[in-house]
Amino acid sequence: DIQMTQSPSSLSASVGDRVTITCRASQSISTFLNWYQHKPGKAPNLLIYAASRLQTGVPSRFSGSGSGTDFTLTISSLQPEDFATYYCQETYDNYPTFGQGTKVEIK
Amino acid sequence: QVQLVQSGAEVRKPGASVKVSCKASGYTFTTYGITWVRQAPGQGLEWMGWISPYNGNSKSAQKVQGRVTMTTDTSTSIAYMELRSLRSDDTAIYYCARVTLIAGAGKNYNFDFWGQGTLVTVSS
Repeated sequence: DIQMTQSPSSLSASVGDRVTITCRASQSISTFLNWYQHKPGKAPNLLIYAASRLQTGVPSRFSGSGSGTDFTLTISSLQPEDFATYYCQETYDNYPTFGQGTKVEIK
Repeated sequence: QVQLVQSGAEVRKPGASVKVSCKASGYTFTTYGITWVRQAPGQGLEWMGWISPYNGNSKSAQKVQGRVTMTTDTSTSIAYMELRSLRSDDTAIYYCARVTLIAGAGKNYNFDFWGQGTLVTVSS
């Protein structure tokens, strides 16, 4: 099974900060990597797919990069509505795996 | 617009079964897969399995294999997930989501629309 490791597990940031979350796969997964935002009491929301493609309707302050084993989600200027937990997900095979999540909290 | 609407919260005793439904609208049901993901209290997202409404083919995660059955009713555009022999660690919010193949990206896919979630509580 492919293991996905996110770092950090949590972070505190202020509105306007640039935030970077990393995700590492246990083997090469090309660009078979998605990012989701999840807020308490809500359904997860797809932000980035295929490592760097912005999902329709997602603000351009979100961006993704990487290939192989190392990936990054960047929020260029953190907004109040961005405080949430973020998950990476590999889709290299038919048994998709999520990272453990990164909780972004208000500083 | 695409919508996935799930059935309401359930409470079950250990050893019992639960069946959660997910009604799709706003798209051709048989063109996209349906997947099931759960989140236990204080934990992350866990993929459980998926099904193709087109042909009924399904796969499930090893952790729930043998206890989970996923089905679809194409006449009503409803997907179902039944989990048997419930244990306390099955207490979670269960989500259905649509599986979309990414155009021009081989077999790459994502979960682009999600249901609102169904809380299943397993308690004696």
